[in-house]
Amino acid sequence: AQTVTQSQPEMSVQEAETVTLSCTYDTSESDYYLFWYKQPPSRQMILVIRQEAYKQQNATENRFSVNFQKAAKSFSLKISDSQLGDAAMYFCAYRSWGSGGSNYKLTFGKGTLLTVNP
Amino acid sequence: GAVVSQHPSWVICKSGTSVKIECRSLDFQATTMFWYRQFPKQSLMLMATSNEGSKATYEQGVEKDKFLINHASLTLSTLTVTSAHPEDSSFYICIPSGTNQETQYFGPGTRLLVL
Repeated sequence: AQTVTQSQPEMSVQEAETVTLSCTYDTSESDYYLFWYKQPPSRQMILVIRQEAYKQQNATENRFSVNFQKAAKSFSLKISDSQLGDAAMYFCAYRSWGSGGSNYKLTFGKGTLLTVNP
Repeated sequence: GAVVSQHPSWVICKSGTSVKIECRSLDFQATTMFWYRQFPKQSLMLMATSNEGSKATYEQGVEKDKFLINHASLTLSTLTVTSAHPEDSSFYICIPSGTNQETQYFGPGTRLLVL
């Protein structure tokens, strides 16, 4: 079974600064997806970024980028130019590569609560 | 992205009563449905997985007779919390999945408070 570990229960950053959230995972699979989700106080989950394991290039989405280290099974999220609206709970998640059925199950880390200070 | 709805969004009930939560995928066919629950300040934990027309598969520690899941159509799944107790108070989220999906679409969640 896959596991996802987020070792930082809480993080804080000054507005406009950069912050990195850590995530490690364990799997015996060679192909898979990794995700970062944002959960604001409304609790609606929002996809921040997705990484396919077969891709060597790190995914980026505007101010959000990842450092994907497959051999080390590490998947950190960097938020640049932090904004007040970035304050939320962030979850790292793993999904198998296969198509359909239980392959689409998401395994989540425990989350990191990010505070952005003005 | 795809639209997923859950109803109700908020429910308060008395201990011992049953509550039904609906999850609808509005613009794609959900061949598989995942039901998660999230206790305050905790992560999302998978409760059960159901495939359309089949019985649900429950995770270890989740009582199948207490959390009844029906997935009779490709656009609707229901989770019924039977004889609810205060410890069932939680945030319940559905994630319907079709085929060839690279991204999951989350329901907005249902907050259940059992008094």
